[in-house]
Amino acid sequence: SQKIEQNSEALNIQEGKTATLTCNYTNYSPAYLQWYRQDPGRGPVFLLLIRENEKEKRKERLKVTFDTTLKQSLFHITASQPADSATYLCALESTGGFKTIFGAGTRLFVKA
Amino acid sequence: GAVVSQHPSRVICKSGTSVKIECRSLDFQATTMFWYRQFPKKSLMLMATSNEGSKATYEQGVEKDKFLINHASLTLSTLTVTSAHPEDSSFYICSARDRTSGSRETQYFGPGTRLLVL
Repeated sequence: SQKIEQNSEALNIQEGKTATLTCNYTNYSPAYLQWYRQDPGRGPVFLLLIRENEKEKRKERLKVTFDTTLKQSLFHITASQPADSATYLCALESTGGFKTIFGAGTRLFVKA
Repeated sequence: GAVVSQHPSRVICKSGTSVKIECRSLDFQATTMFWYRQFPKKSLMLMATSNEGSKATYEQGVEKDKFLINHASLTLSTLTVTSAHPEDSSFYICSARDRTSGSRETQYFGPGTRLLVL
């Protein structure tokens, strides 16, 4: 069955360091992959989208890579700040489909 | 960016009553809206996909008679939880897509509705 895996354990890092979050998937051929941020008790907020033919996408301090051979995406936050503390969700959608599947998310804590 | 609102943000109701949750796209026309539920520390689980002017498509295991969805206009979809029971307590989130925009793959999420059934 289709599965998306994100680190279930929280990631704790020091302010100023780079946070790297992982999203692995199986039995899926996504047309694109998205990353969302979710704060407690709030809906997800879209951050970045990367397509299957793209290797890397950047937006300000955020960088996403997409390796369709490894079936993995890495999400990086450089120069992390305490305000970056949140849960980050990975989401996949297949070609022609219109249904998005979400990972359970990884909680990030950035300490000052 | 596109804004989606949900109302109410929180609701507490007695078992057996029905609860209606509204989802509105404020500055764009949402041809498609999605309803999710989320349990603590769990992934968003898609309940149904709603297209304006047609019946909603429900995911396997979601009872359409219990979770009534109406997408009456391009800016409004409603989810009614009928005869709510304590196990329906959850965080319900809607999202919308603007298929006419250049970012039509992006889902814009509402802030969510916390439902507690006593």
